[in-house]
Amino acid sequence: GQNIDQPTEMTATEGAIVQINCTYQTSGFNGLFWYQQHAGEAPTFLSYNVLDGLEEKGRFSSFLSRSKGYSYLLLKELQMKDSASYLCAVRDSNYQLIWGAGTKLIIKP
Amino acid sequence: IAGITQAPTSQILAAGRRMTLRCTQDMRHNAMYWYRQDLGLGLRLIHYSNTAGTTGKGEVPDGYSVSRANTDDFPLTLASAVPSQTSVYFCASSPTGDNQPQHFGDGTRLSIL
Repeated sequence: GQNIDQPTEMTATEGAIVQINCTYQTSGFNGLFWYQQHAGEAPTFLSYNVLDGLEEKGRFSSFLSRSKGYSYLLLKELQMKDSASYLCAVRDSNYQLIWGAGTKLIIKP
Repeated sequence: IAGITQAPTSQILAAGRRMTLRCTQDMRHNAMYWYRQDLGLGLRLIHYSNTAGTTGKGEVPDGYSVSRANTDDFPLTLASAVPSQTSVYFCASSPTGDNQPQHFGDGTRLSIL
């Protein structure tokens, strides 16, 4: 079966750096997406990786290793507004997104 | 403002009733999707449509039906609601292209009693 694994919850301090890991086992791979979802709101797109390596977008970076079935989202200079769930999703061989359950990130002052 | 509109925002429904969740997008995206989101689980695909006039089944299609008469609208119907269909339902759309992300509506919170 297809599976996306992420930690359920993480806690970090304002101003610090946090890395959220995602491992996947899917039937085929056509890209990996990271989304942010604040409580009670819709998911919003953060990043896309299809080739191995690091993609940087301001305070957020995403890394992919296809051979290891692994990605991480790196958030720098954490702000209180970064408190949210972070969803990892992989596009499979049918070009459908398979979603992880999300990682709830709690930022403490 | 361009985007996806879902209606209603929330609804409480008696079991056995029929219910249609509405979804409209004005971004002219070809593909549209319906997901349900339950606590502790990832988003699960119910049905999708790659282009107007076509639909396909996702991971959890039973008890749901969709139609795609035009590019903008993608309604989801529960023919006879059951309590296990209590969930938050998200509609999403995306343009054509491998690197194109899905854009989500604000969701419909549905409770079946």
